[in-house]
Amino acid sequence: DQQVKQNSPSLSVQEGRISILNCDYTNSMFDYFLWYKKYPAEGPTFLISISSIKDKNEDGRFTVFLNKSAKHLSLHIVPSQPGDSAVYFCAASIGGSTLGRLYFGRGTQLTVWP
Amino acid sequence: GAGVSQSPSNKVTEKGKDVELRCDPISGHTALYWYRQSLGQGLEFLIYFQGNSAPDKSGLPSDRFSAERTGGSVSTLTIQRTQQEDSAVYLCASSLFKGRAVQETQYFGPGTRLLVL
Repeated sequence: DQQVKQNSPSLSVQEGRISILNCDYTNSMFDYFLWYKKYPAEGPTFLISISSIKDKNEDGRFTVFLNKSAKHLSLHIVPSQPGDSAVYFCAASIGGSTLGRLYFGRGTQLTVWP
Repeated sequence: GAGVSQSPSNKVTEKGKDVELRCDPISGHTALYWYRQSLGQGLEFLIYFQGNSAPDKSGLPSDRFSAERTGGSVSTLTIQRTQQEDSAVYLCASSLFKGRAVQETQYFGPGTRLLVL
């Protein structure tokens, strides 16, 4: 049973525009959320995270928004760049910590075209 | 090379054979994780080690799967009597556990691509 869902398998955005990647979760015990980026033939790399006590976290061009009542989070990339083209995974954990299992979505392939 | 390394990078085997996958975590990282990604799926948790013990191995799909970690460093994931549905990318990650409620990210290796014919 998929507890973290990324319902859009792909997203295509023009360079300079905003990319918005969405993620929904079903388990109300999740209290820490992460986004990972993955290039082909490489392992996922950590991008940004947010604790459930916050509703927004920003790091440069990347901002993650959390709506706990809707069990929804989103990753905004502004402005999008061709180098951002990758698969983005949403992940969640329980206990406010990343010690232990992470629950991942199936990923969204982002393509940023010039 | 300070990152997580995995070997082999690719493995092709015949159904019914045993395979061993190796993970070298980042030096000093006390927590180690195994995940796998099947085609079109997200990352599926398999097992996690804190030191040499495994507090959570509930993700191992069957008793054909086992893992061990020795010396608080290298880990081996063993799949016995491989089946075609075991074909996936097996990813290892490590993190530094500093104490309770740590939000240290998990650092992933490049994975081992396993194909069972």
